[in-house]
Amino acid sequence: EVQLLQSAAEVRKPGESLKISCKASGFTFTSHWMGWVRQRPGKGLEWMGIIFPRDSDTKYNPSFRGQVTISADKSSDTAYLDWSSLKPSDTGIYYCARHPLDPFSDSSGYYYDFWGQGTMVTVSS
Amino acid sequence: EIVMTQSPATLSASPGERATLACRASQGVGSNLAWYQQQPGQAPRVLIYGASTRASGAPARFSGSGSGTEFTLTISSLQSEDFAVYYCQQYDNNWPPLFTFGPGTKVEMK
Repeated sequence: EVQLLQSAAEVRKPGESLKISCKASGFTFTSHWMGWVRQRPGKGLEWMGIIFPRDSDTKYNPSFRGQVTISADKSSDTAYLDWSSLKPSDTGIYYCARHPLDPFSDSSGYYYDFWGQGTMVTVSS
Repeated sequence: EIVMTQSPATLSASPGERATLACRASQGVGSNLAWYQQQPGQAPRVLIYGASTRASGAPARFSGSGSGTEFTLTISSLQSEDFAVYYCQQYDNNWPPLFTFGPGTKVEMK
């Protein structure tokens, strides 16, 4: 059974750093692109970027490039999203999700077939 | 950058009614269009991909159509569990690649 288990909710102050995780199981982690999606309170879904864990090839939405870092650890089948200096505008729920196929060699793999449960990040002084 | 719009923003309907949701892309995306349902407090789940292919586990009352720039999600007979927010998503394979979501349509009970 495919599962994406995300780390627990976090509360931080502006300027602090944070790294949240997404532990994959039930599939070959290194064979699937993994994405991160933000949802601010009461708002829609924003695509942040994706990573291919086999070689850590990463692609960012230009709106998020330089604001976050996406990484992956093949040895633990875990994807990460981290911030070096949080802002109040980073408050929201962050979801990891799996592409069923490589979207760059098969464009039909662009969507997300499995999602994590989400990690709520609150940034407030 | 391809911009996605969805209409209406909110759809008020009663159980048993047919619901039609629209998604429009500012440029052609072929059939690279997916639909997701998000219940309150839950992660999204895919309903339709490839514009018209129902995902595993998606009920048969959900159907998708369209190609290019105009897409439709139809719920043939609304059930109580269908009152939720629906998002479309497209794949822009230009550089940089983008997997953009539309702003969403909330289906609420009348």
